[in-house]
Amino acid sequence: AQSVTQLGSHVSVSEGALVLLRCNYSSSVPPYLFWYVQYPNQGLQLLLKYTSAATLVKGINGFEAEFKKSETSFHLTKPSAHMSDAAEYFCAVSDRGTNAGKSTFGDGTTLTVKP
Amino acid sequence: GAGVSQTPSNKVTEKGKYVELRCDPISGHTALYWYRQSLGQGPEFLIYFQGTGAADDSGLPNDRFFAVRPEGSVSTLKIQRTERGDSAVYLCASSLSGLAHNEQFFGPGTRLTVL
Repeated sequence: AQSVTQLGSHVSVSEGALVLLRCNYSSSVPPYLFWYVQYPNQGLQLLLKYTSAATLVKGINGFEAEFKKSETSFHLTKPSAHMSDAAEYFCAVSDRGTNAGKSTFGDGTTLTVKP
Repeated sequence: GAGVSQTPSNKVTEKGKYVELRCDPISGHTALYWYRQSLGQGPEFLIYFQGTGAADDSGLPNDRFFAVRPEGSVSTLKIQRTERGDSAVYLCASSLSGLAHNEQFFGPGTRLTVL
């Protein structure tokens, strides 16, 4: 069974500082990996996804993530935080195999950006 | 174009009552997913439709939960004999196809409160 662990339920950074949100997965084969963002009172929105092309994936709003098979990680980063980045972030995994279409999500990380 | 819509946005009911939650996916999307999100947790998979049929209903917690998608578009999640533990935000998502790498587009959710 797949699982996703997001280390740190709350992360606080200063505006302009590096953002690092951690995600580790457990899967028998390299899965597809996703990062979603959820702003207050809005639905989840895809930030980026890994589908086995380049291991460094660039997404919207300046975010990127690197797939590291040896570490089973897919950490999300942004060089310089903006106030508008304050939201909840979810890492998710989908199996390439028979369970296609079903995503397993982590419990989320709430990002706070201080002025 | 219109995104995924869900109605109602909020539903308050009493323990033991029956509720229906509706999801309108993006036009042309053949895959539709239901998730449940409890406070402080990530979305939890319930059921996935490919067209009119349920391709994977392994996440439905018990037989009080049922979902239909009779014409391959709108879907209804039905909960019988509601319990306080059913209180959560119910999320619907759709994607162009059921392939695991496809982006899922999420609706804003229905917040269900069982008193």
